[in-house]
Amino acid sequence: AQSVTQPDIHITVSEGASLELRCNYSYGATPYLFWYVQSPGQGLQLLLKYFSGDTLVQGIKGFEAEFKRSQSSFNLRKPSVHWSDAAEYFCAVVSNTGGFKTIFGAGTRLFVKA
Amino acid sequence: DAEITQSPRHKITETGRQVTLACHQTWNHNNMFWYRQDLGHGLRLIHYSYGVQDTNKGEVSDGYSVSRSNTEDLPLTLESAASSQTSVYFCASSEQGRTVDTQYFGPGTRLTVL
Repeated sequence: AQSVTQPDIHITVSEGASLELRCNYSYGATPYLFWYVQSPGQGLQLLLKYFSGDTLVQGIKGFEAEFKRSQSSFNLRKPSVHWSDAAEYFCAVVSNTGGFKTIFGAGTRLFVKA
Repeated sequence: DAEITQSPRHKITETGRQVTLACHQTWNHNNMFWYRQDLGHGLRLIHYSYGVQDTNKGEVSDGYSVSRSNTEDLPLTLESAASSQTSVYFCASSEQGRTVDTQYFGPGTRLTVL
């Protein structure tokens, strides 16, 4: 069955430091991959997505992610974190079994310290 | 601007009561989804719809029902609320038919069942 694993429940980084959030997926075919961000008390917002083509995808708010098929990973990165990036981040894969449904990871909560 | 709204934003109810959570979108999207979000589980799909009069069960559909009588609305009903259904509920929509697409999320409804 398709699944998404985010190994880190929470991460703390200093403002201005670089960030990498890990995501591993289990999927038999070419995956459709997403990163969403959830600010406190709000719904999820799309950061970026990968369907095909260039394995390095750019998203909003200065985020990027790299698809690595050999490692079954789709890690999210940002070169310099801002305090406003503190939020929960969800990786997701679309399953086409029985229709196109999105499977979410458990999320990684990002804390930013001054 | 198009949007997706949920009401109420907060609800407290008692075990055994019927509860309906509203979801309304003005994107004119065909697809609508209901998720629940619980700590450590990310988002789990409850029900989804690909269009009017179409509804499908998701991963955790027991105890929930939906109906789709128009494009804009997908109300979620808890037939007999249980404490295990205390959660945050998110509605989402996406444009395309039965294909991969970005989902747009509402702000969520926090439901407490006492």
